[in-house]
Amino acid sequence: DVKVTQSSRYLVKRTGEKVFLECVQDMDHENMFWYRQDPGLGLRLIYFSYDVKMKEKGDIPEGYSVSREKKERFSLILESASTNQTSMYLCASSRGGTTGTGELFFGEGSRLTVL
Amino acid sequence: RKEVEQDPGPFNVPEGATVAFNCTYSNSASQSFFWYRQDCRKEPKLLMSVYSSGNEDGRFTAQLNRASQYISLLIRDSKLSDSATYLCVVTDYGGSQGNLIFGKGTKLSVKP
Repeated sequence: DVKVTQSSRYLVKRTGEKVFLECVQDMDHENMFWYRQDPGLGLRLIYFSYDVKMKEKGDIPEGYSVSREKKERFSLILESASTNQTSMYLCASSRGGTTGTGELFFGEGSRLTVL
Repeated sequence: RKEVEQDPGPFNVPEGATVAFNCTYSNSASQSFFWYRQDCRKEPKLLMSVYSSGNEDGRFTAQLNRASQYISLLIRDSKLSDSATYLCVVTDYGGSQGNLIFGKGTKLSVKP
């Protein structure tokens, strides 16, 4: 089975702290994504990556950065956490290339609270 | 920004009922369509892909109308375990591996 693992299920941080959210997938997928999910707003794409060291901005990249140094790992970084970044963060991966079906496999999510 | 619109519900139905969800999308170039299911406090998971000819998986039937840019999901003989939020998802541009756009979801609650 595809496994997408997010390092922390629950985090509580203070305003201004630097926050790292780690995501690892074990299916050799080319594509990886970071979403946030908020009530009434649905899933919103923050950043995505189609290859190692490659990144593309999604719909709401402000206040976030990402890193993809290895194919299996995609990290989301909040340089200076703010209260409006309190949310559920979901990492996902999918197969790329001509064999890609578009199916996303999600991690269990990281619920971040910024005080 | 390309959009995917869904009725948020909630749809409250008794066990055994048939329920239908609809979804409209704005990007006529979208090529791939999906229904995902998300249980409370869980991650979304693929329920089924939606093909042009329509497709069925047990009690679930998905239909696509490209002319109207409309997707539907029909659930027959609802079970308590069908209670979840159903997310309509389309590709942002042509091709199966394009960026996926998620609707905000339709909540279904199946009651005994």
